[in-house]
Amino acid sequence: NFMLTQPHSVSESPGKTVTISCTRSSGSIASNYVQWYQQRPGSSPTTMIYENKQRPSGVPDRFSGSIDSSSNSASLTISGLKTEDEADYYCQSYDSNNSWVFGGGTKLTVL
Amino acid sequence: QVTLKESGPVLVKPTETLTLTCTVSGFSLSNARMGVTWIRQPPGKALEWLAHIFSNDEKSCSTSLKSRLTISKDTSKSQVVLTMTNMDPVDTATYYCARIILRGSRYFDSWGQGTLVTVSS
Repeated sequence: NFMLTQPHSVSESPGKTVTISCTRSSGSIASNYVQWYQQRPGSSPTTMIYENKQRPSGVPDRFSGSIDSSSNSASLTISGLKTEDEADYYCQSYDSNNSWVFGGGTKLTVL
Repeated sequence: QVTLKESGPVLVKPTETLTLTCTVSGFSLSNARMGVTWIRQPPGKALEWLAHIFSNDEKSCSTSLKSRLTISKDTSKSQVVLTMTNMDPVDTATYYCARIILRGSRYFDSWGQGTLVTVSS
């Protein structure tokens, strides 16, 4: 099994760009796809990125995902920040023992 | 339109068994490219994966909770049922079900609204 570690919180101003990292503790980040979920206060999660970098229909292209094998991490980048982007963001990946692992979540504050 | 809706008790006593039902619409539980999973979230804490089930009845449960969890489905009723035995106050959480998409990968694409379960005597 592995763990996914995210920063507890990040903050940035409207219109700016922010990147949230997700570091895999063991095994290659490239060995299983990474997903990203947004959870606004009081709401259920919604899927923002799947398969490392794919956006579901309806998700703005301000949201992008990537992986970096050198740091064994995945990243969610949000450009042109809006106040509505303020939420918790969770990364997730599938484990080869037929289970899923979530990161601890990152609280994004748009000041 | 794909929807998932969780239902079950809002309050259970310690040591009791929790039974939650996820009723889906907009897709069939017999679809080989889809499955359903359960995730929970204690108040103010992170998401935790619990279990999943696919159309061929392939299922898996969290290793940390395996002895307490059972997942099953009734395709004719479009329902997936999760049972968790020996409930404890630490199991107080919002329980979500979500649809799994099977492509080359597996990922969750639609989530239910969640149901808050409180464990207290």
